[in-house]
Amino acid sequence: GQNIDQPTEMTATEGAIVQINCTYQTSGFNGLFWYQQHAGEAPTFLSYNVLDGLEEKGRFSSFLSRSKGYSYLLLKELQMKDSASYLCAVRDGNYQLIWGAGTKLIIKP
Amino acid sequence: TAGITQAPTSQILAAGRSMTLRCTQDMRHNAMYWYRQDLGLGLRLIHYSNTAGTTGKGEVPDGYSVSRANTDDFPLTLASAVPSQTSVYFCASSEGGQVTEAFFGQGTRLTVV
Repeated sequence: GQNIDQPTEMTATEGAIVQINCTYQTSGFNGLFWYQQHAGEAPTFLSYNVLDGLEEKGRFSSFLSRSKGYSYLLLKELQMKDSASYLCAVRDGNYQLIWGAGTKLIIKP
Repeated sequence: TAGITQAPTSQILAAGRSMTLRCTQDMRHNAMYWYRQDLGLGLRLIHYSNTAGTTGKGEVPDGYSVSRANTDDFPLTLASAVPSQTSVYFCASSEGGQVTEAFFGQGTRLTVV
């Protein structure tokens, strides 16, 4: 079957750096997405990786290794507003999105 | 810019009753999706539509039906609600094809009692 694994919850300190990992096993691969979802709100797009390597976008970076079935989202200079759930999703060989359960990130002052 | 609008925002529904969740987008996206989100689980695809006039079944389609009469609207109908359909429902859209990002509505919180 297809599977996306990410930690359920992480805690970090304001101003610090945190890395949220995502491992996947899917039937085919056509890209990996990271979304941010604040409590009670809709998911919003953060990043997209389809080739190996690092994609940087301001304080957020996303890394992909297709051979290892692995990605991470790196958040730098954490702010209180970064407290949210971070969803990893993989587009499989049929171009269907498979979603992880999400990682709840708690930022402490 | 409205993006995607869902209605209602929340609803309490008696088991056995029917209900239609509405979804409208103004971005002229070809593809639209209905997901349900339950605690501890990832978003699960209920139904999708790659273009107006076509629909397809997702991972958890049982008990739900959809229609896509035009580009903008993609309603989701529960014919006879059951308590296990208590969930948060998200409608989403994307340009389709070799898709990049999906845009989500604000969600409908449905409680079936």
